[in-house]
Amino acid sequence: DVKVTQSSRYLVKRTGEKVFLECVQDMDHENMFWYRQDPGLGLRLIYFSYDVKMKEKGDIPEGYSVSREKKERFSLILESASTNQTSMYLCASSLGHLNTEAFFGQGTRLTVV
Amino acid sequence: DQQVKQNSPSLSVQEGRISILNCDYTNSMFDYFLWYKKYPAEGPTFLISISSIKDKNEDGRFTVFLNKSAKHLSLHIVPSQPGDSAVYFCAASSNTGNQFYFGTGTSLTVIP
Repeated sequence: DVKVTQSSRYLVKRTGEKVFLECVQDMDHENMFWYRQDPGLGLRLIYFSYDVKMKEKGDIPEGYSVSREKKERFSLILESASTNQTSMYLCASSLGHLNTEAFFGQGTRLTVV
Repeated sequence: DQQVKQNSPSLSVQEGRISILNCDYTNSMFDYFLWYKKYPAEGPTFLISISSIKDKNEDGRFTVFLNKSAKHLSLHIVPSQPGDSAVYFCAASSNTGNQFYFGTGTSLTVIP
């Protein structure tokens, strides 16, 4: 079974803090993604990576950065957390070839106070 | 601009009846479509997919229909069960990119 593991289920951080969300997958997938889910807005792509050290901006990259130093690990960084970044963050991975599904982690509920 | 749209935010259905969830897309380059189910405080789980070379795919109680000319897909759940109560997202991808584009979700409630 594919497993995508996010380091925390719940996080509470203060405004202005630097926040790291970690994601690890164990199926040697080429692609990894970070989404945020907000009520009424669905899943919005923040960043994705199709290879080690490669990254591409998604629809809402502002205020975020990412790091992929190893194939299995994809980190999302909030450089200076703000209250409008309170959200559910979802990591996913998929194989690099076409017509395949993405597998999601359990999500991290981040609250910025 | 939302390329994948789910225009019904919520749907209520009696147990045992059919649930029909709808999804529309605008990008004619999309060639692979997926449905995910999500419970609160959990990540989405993959349900069923369909390639653009087909118009129907079935897996147990779940069937996805694709109408390429209308740029429309639907998920049918028959019979509906209380455990099906969740938010359902449709998603699409194309052979020109690695991204998945998600709709805004439909919250399904199956009433016992």
